[in-house]
Amino acid sequence: NAGVTQTPKFQVLKTGQSMTLQCAQDMNHEYMSWYRQDPGMGLRLIHYSVGAGITDQGEVPNGYNVSRSTTEDFPLRLLSAAPSQTSVYFCASTGFGGGAEAFFGQGTRLTVV
Amino acid sequence: GIQVEQSPPDLILQEGANSTLRCNFSDSVNNLQWFHQNPWGQLINLFYIPSGTKQNGRLSATTVATERYSLLYISSSQTTDSGVYFCGGDRGSTLGRLYFGRGTQLTVWP
Repeated sequence: NAGVTQTPKFQVLKTGQSMTLQCAQDMNHEYMSWYRQDPGMGLRLIHYSVGAGITDQGEVPNGYNVSRSTTEDFPLRLLSAAPSQTSVYFCASTGFGGGAEAFFGQGTRLTVV
Repeated sequence: GIQVEQSPPDLILQEGANSTLRCNFSDSVNNLQWFHQNPWGQLINLFYIPSGTKQNGRLSATTVATERYSLLYISSSQTTDSGVYFCGGDRGSTLGRLYFGRGTQLTVWP
């Protein structure tokens, strides 16, 4: 049981490039989300999804797109990378059977130059 | 949204010492959880504790939901306890959408 798998672990982009961060979970969880972590800021929610075909914005959505075509996958797209998007990105998955415990992927460290 | 205040922001301990980390919420939360971010950046689940007390080895946690706070106790600390500790919780109206504090940076020296 892999849990939540994020790829890549590290990425360097040039300003203006686009890319997709992948996130997959094998726990059949309804809820998935993306956070970014910046020094001293804790974890801030970018986008989330309560099920396949349903997504919504979090606290810091600008510059990011998401889609949820399957229960398992929740990719995060950077449309035109900016240095302000240099951060560590975490995907999380939450199930609601008997509680709502979140599980995180291993993170993606993104640098935009 | 919910404001989450964690204290202390930084904590430096000698191995073997005990410590208490606190998490205060500005509003009622559900599904309160504690996480440890190890020096490699991984977020590890410590406790899922919407209310009451739980213990796991040298760690224990208590949540008093009516007073909107939670405590994490670390006894006989070890160097492997170093890292950042986060608490997070969600609201009934937006289950799953966790609000996090800024974390407590714990450093344990041998």
